[in-house]
Amino acid sequence: ILNVEQSPQSLHVQEGDSTNFTCSFPSSNFYALHWYRWETAKSPEALFVMTLNGDEKKKGRISATLNTKEGYSYLYIKGSQPEDSATYLCAFNNAGNMLTFGGGTRLMVKP
Amino acid sequence: NAGVTQTPKFRVLKTGQSMTLLCAQDMNHEYMYWYRQDPGMGLRLIHYSVGEGTTAKGEVPDGYNVSRLKKQNFLLGLESAAPSQTSVYFCASSWDRANEQYFGPGTRLTVT
Repeated sequence: ILNVEQSPQSLHVQEGDSTNFTCSFPSSNFYALHWYRWETAKSPEALFVMTLNGDEKKKGRISATLNTKEGYSYLYIKGSQPEDSATYLCAFNNAGNMLTFGGGTRLMVKP
Repeated sequence: NAGVTQTPKFRVLKTGQSMTLLCAQDMNHEYMYWYRQDPGMGLRLIHYSVGEGTTAKGEVPDGYNVSRLKKQNFLLGLESAAPSQTSVYFCASSWDRANEQYFGPGTRLTVT
């Protein structure tokens, strides 16, 4: 069982604040790192799939970076909006296994 | 294009009863997965399939069986339900194991 850790577990921010979360994963045999956005009462939806060390991906106000050598990825949200409130999951593949999900970071944005 | 669908959406079982959850996808994906989601535990992989006719165990396979007789369908069976199997079950599919996964809406199962 691979250890994928996300921090913080939950986060309350004000509308307009920028924020970031961390995903830590084993640095050996890296294959891919996924970020998903999971709104309450819905299904997880993919934000990014990252495969190369140093990768940076962006979608609107959300961006992610990847460091495979040290085993971490950051997810950034610029100018948080109430509709950004969700749980953000990261998931890690190594060379021999299916995705292992972290426990998620629950973001709540207050208007 | 419905994506990934799951049947049923909700179910209540008594201990010892059996049931089958159906997952269907219309994206021609090779890989399909069954996860369970419990409070504080995140998503945990139960079983998965890398193509029609194949199945493999994930992290928490005990008490479950699966079948993938057709490429578009992935069935999850509980032969003798236990209260510990009370959970929300998600099915997902993808082109391969590194590509993004598409999730179904979930099935909320309660075992009393």
